[in-house]
Amino acid sequence: EDQVTQSPEALRLQEGESSSLNCSYTVSGLRGLFWYRQDPGKGPEFLFTLYSAGEEKEKERLKATLTKKESFLHITAPKPEDSATYLCAVQAPSGNTPLVFGKGTRLSVIA
Amino acid sequence: GAGVSQTPSNKVTEKGKYVELRCDPISGHTALYWYRQSLGQGPEFLIYFQGTGAADDSGLPNDRFFAVRPEGSVSTLKIQRTERGDSAVYLCASSLQGSDGYTFGSGTRLTVV
Repeated sequence: EDQVTQSPEALRLQEGESSSLNCSYTVSGLRGLFWYRQDPGKGPEFLFTLYSAGEEKEKERLKATLTKKESFLHITAPKPEDSATYLCAVQAPSGNTPLVFGKGTRLSVIA
Repeated sequence: GAGVSQTPSNKVTEKGKYVELRCDPISGHTALYWYRQSLGQGPEFLIYFQGTGAADDSGLPNDRFFAVRPEGSVSTLKIQRTERGDSAVYLCASSLQGSDGYTFGSGTRLTVV
């Protein structure tokens, strides 16, 4: 069974204090690993897809990396507007297999 | 439309009642997904449509839950004999077949009292 574990459950940072969120996964073959951002009362918003170990993608203050067992979402010099829940999901290779999500990391960035 | 639209945004119903939740996907997206998200949890898969047919309904928790997509566009999630444990946010997402990154709607918050 595909599983995704995210840590920490919650993270509180001062503005400008860089950190990383972890996503560990177990999947029977990996088509892609996805990162989403979710604000309160909203649906998840797509950030990145990573396909193979060693791949990295960046968007503003966020950088996602992937190994064979886990992915990291690095947040550099965060701002209060980066506060949200960050969700990780994996997709097995066969067809349009639905994404399997982790529970997310609630990030709070304090000014 | 520009995004995935879900209606209603909030629904309060009494235990035992029947509810319908609607999802209007992005025009041209052939794949449509329903997920359920409880407080403090990640989205949990319910059912996936490719066109008009349910390609995977393995996430539906029991036979009180049913979903349709008769014309390959709008989908309706139907819940019979609602229970308090059905209270959650029901999310709909759509994607182009084979594309990455679903686009989610804002969800319907269902409260069963």
